[in-house]
Parts: sequence; C-alpha cells; structure tokens
Amino acid sequence: NAGVTQTPKFRVLKTGQSMTLLCAQDMNHEYMYWYRQDPGMGLRLIHYSVGEGTTAKGEVPDGYNVSRLKKQNFLLGLESAAPSQTSVYFCASSSGTGLAKNIQYFGAGTRLSVL
Amino acid sequence: RKEVEQDPGPFNVPEGATVAFNCTYSNSASQSFFWYRQDCRKEPKLLMSVYSSGNEDGRFTAQLNRASQYISLLIRDSKLSDSATYLCAGLTTYKYIFGTGTRLKVLA
Repeated sequence: NAGVTQTPKFRVLKTGQSMTLLCAQDMNHEYMYWYRQDPGMGLRLIHYSVGEGTTAKGEVPDGYNVSRLKKQNFLLGLESAAPSQTSVYFCASSSGTGLAKNIQYFGAGTRLSVL
Repeated sequence: RKEVEQDPGPFNVPEGATVAFNCTYSNSASQSFFWYRQDCRKEPKLLMSVYSSGNEDGRFTAQLNRASQYISLLIRDSKLSDSATYLCAGLTTYKYIFGTGTRLKVLA
C-alpha cells in the first residue's frame, strides 16, 4: 500500500548543482502537487499538475521546473541549486473525483540542503 | 497578508483539557477547507474535512463560518498523543493554500 512515494529522502547539494526529485503515486490520482516547507512559513505550493502532460505555477515557482509525462509521476527539477532552496519538499496527490476528491495524500518528504 | 492565517502557538495544555484553534482565510472563493495534523519531521495527514454544517469525529469538531471567513478545530479531552502541529488549508479551484500551522503540546 505505497500511496505517494518520494525519492530521494535526503540530499545535500553544492550551490549550482542540479537535481531531480521524483514523486510517484499508485492511486491513479489526477492531481499532483509539489510543496516546500520552511520553519515559520508553512507549506508553500511550488507547482502543480491537474493531469498528465499539464503543469501550472504555484506560489513560489522560481528556480524550479516540473514535468508530468506519466500520470503516476511528477518530477521536480532544480537546474542550479541555491542555498535559499534548502528546505523540506513534499509531494501530494488527490483524485479530483468522488467523495474524497479533494483530500490530499502526502509523501514522506525530501530533506534538501544546499551548501 | 497571508491568504490563510493561523496562530502559531505553541498551545501548552494539560491532559484532559479542551483546546480550540482558529484559522482565518481571505479568499472568499475558497471552496473547501481541511485540517491536517503534522508530527515532527513527518508529512501532513488529513485530520478532518470541514463542512458548513460542522462535523465531528470523536473528540474532534470542526466548524466553518463563511460569513466571518474562519474555520475552527476543537479538541476535547486532550491526549498526550494529540501533541503535533495542526495545519488548516483552503482549496480554491485546484490550489490548496495552507496556514503556517499551530503547535499543540499536551502536558502530563
């Protein structure tokens, strides 16, 4: 019963390096989301997707790119990491249909440090 | 002003106490509201959806007041295991906006 799986769980990058965070869900959900969580800031939406092949910007999209080539996967890319991107990143998904359509299910998070 | 605001706390309450949190929102187009619970260094997990008519789940009661644009969470008979951060969230079209969370510590 995997739900939402994020990889990796931890990562340390040097400034300027690039990386991709992977989110996979096995619930056949239409909607997927990437958030970052910083102390005192709560969860802030980076990008989201309402279906395969579609993406949209959230509150804090600068410095990130995303892709949703397959329905079950939502990738978050950092092209040139900066110390300001040190954060905990959460992926979430929701079905968009039915009684439970609006309930979001979260992955366990990725802790990223940029030195 | 943040779209969803919460008192960050911490709320320190004795075991068995009743505690209430409020969350205000500024976007009147928000359609649905939720309370999530987040334990330290863990992901948020849904506690309750919030309906206009109010809803109750055991010791937890959630209310929505659209006229005043706030939602509330009431926890009765607090347990040590209720210690966590409680996040409120509003949904507008496809986007969820979360508050910064309210920390609750239940003391023995």
